[in-house]
Amino acid sequence: DAGVTQSPTHLIKTRGQQVTLRCSPKSGHDTVSWYQQALGQGPQFIFQYYEEEERQRGNFPDRFSGHQFPNYSSELNVNALLLGDSALYLCASSWGGQMNTEAFFGQGTRLTVV
Amino acid sequence: SQQGEEDPQALSIQEGENATMNCSYKTSINNLQWYRQNSGRGLVHLILIRSNEREKHSGRLRVTLDTSKKSSSLLITASRAADTASYFCATKASGGTSYGKLTFGQGTILTVHP
Repeated sequence: DAGVTQSPTHLIKTRGQQVTLRCSPKSGHDTVSWYQQALGQGPQFIFQYYEEEERQRGNFPDRFSGHQFPNYSSELNVNALLLGDSALYLCASSWGGQMNTEAFFGQGTRLTVV
Repeated sequence: SQQGEEDPQALSIQEGENATMNCSYKTSINNLQWYRQNSGRGLVHLILIRSNEREKHSGRLRVTLDTSKKSSSLLITASRAADTASYFCATKASGGTSYGKLTFGQGTILTVHP
């Protein structure tokens, strides 16, 4: 059983560019959440997708957008990249967004903006 | 912003010793989860404790939760060099609109010396 898979693992982009990160949830999971983790910090919630809709959003600008596909996989898009967007981006999947279920994380995508 | 704080920020012990990490949070929660992260990669789920539970065990891990003090602790007994990692607590807030969002602390860096 494959866990949560993310691609790519590493990415280098230039300021002002756009980037798309991808996530496939764990088998049986239908909810995908995205987190940003700056160096030395805990992950911060960006948004959550359920039934192909953004259900909840954290304190991130509109430059951060996402999508969930019918097969539950998800994309995170970041436009007009800033140096401060350099971070580890983590995808987590869970079932139904229910309260008392664990979230399983992928290995993350390390984004470097130069 | 981070929900809570973890204490200590860094912990260095010898193999075989016990390691205790503490987590405090600010709002009412539905559950609290502990994660491990090796070398800035993905998060590994360790244990979930519900708000109506006081203590939970999993192998060498023991988690306690005191909702009156809004705090939790993670005890790793008989630590091993392989336990060296960053440990994060994450809370799932109670309330109808919190869905699956996890709010993380800053983490504790544990180093276990062989």
